[in-house]
Amino acid sequence: QVQLQESGPGLVRPSETLSLTCTVSGGSISSYYWSWIRQPPGKGLEWIGQIYYSGSTNYNPSLRSRVTMSIDTSKNQFSLKVSPVTAADTAVYYCATEMGSKFDPWGQGTLVTVSS
Amino acid sequence: QSVLTQPPSASGTPGQRVTISCSGSNSNIGRTTVDWYQQLPGTAPKLLIYRDNQRPSGVPDRFSGSKSGTSASLAISGLQSEDEADYYCAAWDDSLNGPVFGGGTKLTVL
Repeated sequence: QVQLQESGPGLVRPSETLSLTCTVSGGSISSYYWSWIRQPPGKGLEWIGQIYYSGSTNYNPSLRSRVTMSIDTSKNQFSLKVSPVTAADTAVYYCATEMGSKFDPWGQGTLVTVSS
Repeated sequence: QSVLTQPPSASGTPGQRVTISCSGSNSNIGRTTVDWYQQLPGTAPKLLIYRDNQRPSGVPDRFSGSKSGTSASLAISGLQSEDEADYYCAAWDDSLNGPVFGGGTKLTVL
């Protein structure tokens, strides 16, 4: 079955760029939508945005001005960039498969801390 | 402030039935289906219920979902200690043009 794994730096300086990659295994990225969701420590879930294999994107309006998503079908990977970051962007970032608006499965998540 | 409203906490004793509510509006729950996620401590969320009341393969039938108007509920019967987790509801929101989550409910098994 499809599995997802996030990767990227765990520490980012304020005002710089957060960059994460999600690698999809056990299935092709050339189907479904692929999403990023984050969870600040001790808080709830926030949808960041989604990307289709064609490259079309849809972002949360609250983050749209700072978010960029891309997809590399040859590597079965999709990516997230957030810039510039502040301490409020400190969170566990999850990638997930989006099928008919439901998220399943999810990656294990990666903690990104924004601090100088 | 989450778009979907859930009680912050719920509790029950082993064997009991508990319900968790999720309140929304006509731009989300009132127009589309609701999904529920279970997040065990220190792990990623897992799909528990989709399309209001459907269980993915492997989810026990102790878990059930329902929806009426702009509200939805998750019911857990025969409560077990391993059900202690955070539970989130989610639905597509037409105003946001994206999915929204509830703030989460922390379930404690006493």
